[in-house]
Amino acid sequence: KNQVEQSPQSLIILEGKNCTLQCNYTVSPFSNLRWYKQDTGRGPVSLTIMTFSENTKSNGRYTATLDADTKQSSLHITASQLSDSASYICVVSEASGYSTLTFGKGTMLLVSP
Amino acid sequence: DVKVTQSSRYLVKRTGEKVFLECVQDMDHENMFWYRQDPGLGLRLIYFSYDVKMKEKGDIPEGYSVSREKKERFSLILESASTNQTSMYLCASSRTRNEAFFGQGTRLTVV
Repeated sequence: KNQVEQSPQSLIILEGKNCTLQCNYTVSPFSNLRWYKQDTGRGPVSLTIMTFSENTKSNGRYTATLDADTKQSSLHITASQLSDSASYICVVSEASGYSTLTFGKGTMLLVSP
Repeated sequence: DVKVTQSSRYLVKRTGEKVFLECVQDMDHENMFWYRQDPGLGLRLIYFSYDVKMKEKGDIPEGYSVSREKKERFSLILESASTNQTSMYLCASSRTRNEAFFGQGTRLTVV
């Protein structure tokens, strides 16, 4: 069964500090991996998308990495801001089938002043 | 930018009521999805549709139905709302089957 596991479940960091969120998956065959940011009470918004051939992609202060061999991804946030407080969800897409998205349960990040 | 609009941000309904959640997308996407999101469980797929008048059950379809009469609109129906259907409901659309653009969500409370 396809699975996406995220760690940690929650994280508190001080404003200005860096942090790294982890995502491990067992989805096969692999199509792509997205990181979403979900503010409280809002819908998820895509931050990055990575395909099999990509191992790093940046979006401002967000940098995602992908190791397709070990089936691991990370999201690194640099110089955190209060507005980074949100849930971050890893979503892996399967290359076949109808319902092809497998969601992680998310990491809840709180950036404290 | 893709725009997926859900008709309500917050809803409060009584047990046994019939509830309609509406979703409209403006990007001519073929695929539309309804998810619910609960603490500790993440997003779970209720129903999806890959074409007008077409629907497929997701992982948790019990107690729900859907309607897609027009390409841009996908409705989720709770035939008889129950308290265990209190949740955040998220609509999504996409052109391909391996992506999702989400609406802002509807927080439904059934009392």
